[in-house]
Amino acid sequence: KQEVTQIPAALSVPEGENLVLNCSFTDSAIYNLQWFRQDPGKGLTSLLLIQSSQREQTSGRLNASLDKSSGRSTLYIAASQPGDSATYLCAVRRSQAGTALIFGKGTTLSVSS
Amino acid sequence: DGGITQSPKYLFRKEGQNVTLSCEQNLNHDAMYWYRQDPGQGLRLIYYSQIVNDFQKGDIAEGYSVSREKKESFPLTVTSAQKNPTAFYLCASSMQEQETQYFGPGTRLLVL
Repeated sequence: KQEVTQIPAALSVPEGENLVLNCSFTDSAIYNLQWFRQDPGKGLTSLLLIQSSQREQTSGRLNASLDKSSGRSTLYIAASQPGDSATYLCAVRRSQAGTALIFGKGTTLSVSS
Repeated sequence: DGGITQSPKYLFRKEGQNVTLSCEQNLNHDAMYWYRQDPGQGLRLIYYSQIVNDFQKGDIAEGYSVSREKKESFPLTVTSAQKNPTAFYLCASSMQEQETQYFGPGTRLLVL
């Protein structure tokens, strides 16, 4: 059974710091991996999607990497800002067609000014 | 303005009552999903639908029912059989070939 783990559960950093969020999954047979952002009491916003054949994806200050063989993904945030404060969720899609996402519990990030 | 809408934002359920959560999308997406989120937990899949008039159970379907009569709509009914319904419910949709899932703003269900 696929399980997704995110470490740490919470992280506090000062503004301007570069940081890395970690995601690991137990079954390397994934179709793709997606990183989301969730603000308190809100829905999820998709940040980056990495197909299983890709190694990384970049969007602005965000860079996500994928190492399928070791079951790991990282989300790198450069020059963090207070507006980056949110919960970040990692989710994998199983290989079979017609299935949905399996989520980790998230990392809650707090960036202080 | 394209997107996914969920209503209501807050919903209160009395003991033994069935309640229905609405999810509508105008993105022309084929697939739609319902997830449940509990405090400190990841999202768990309740039901999903890849096409109109077809849907599949997710990991925690007991006590819930869905319908997919139109491409744009995927309502979720929380039945009286669901003994612990208090949670944040999120609806999502995606195009098959794009894979990225887009989420609605959520409905918070509380029990009176």
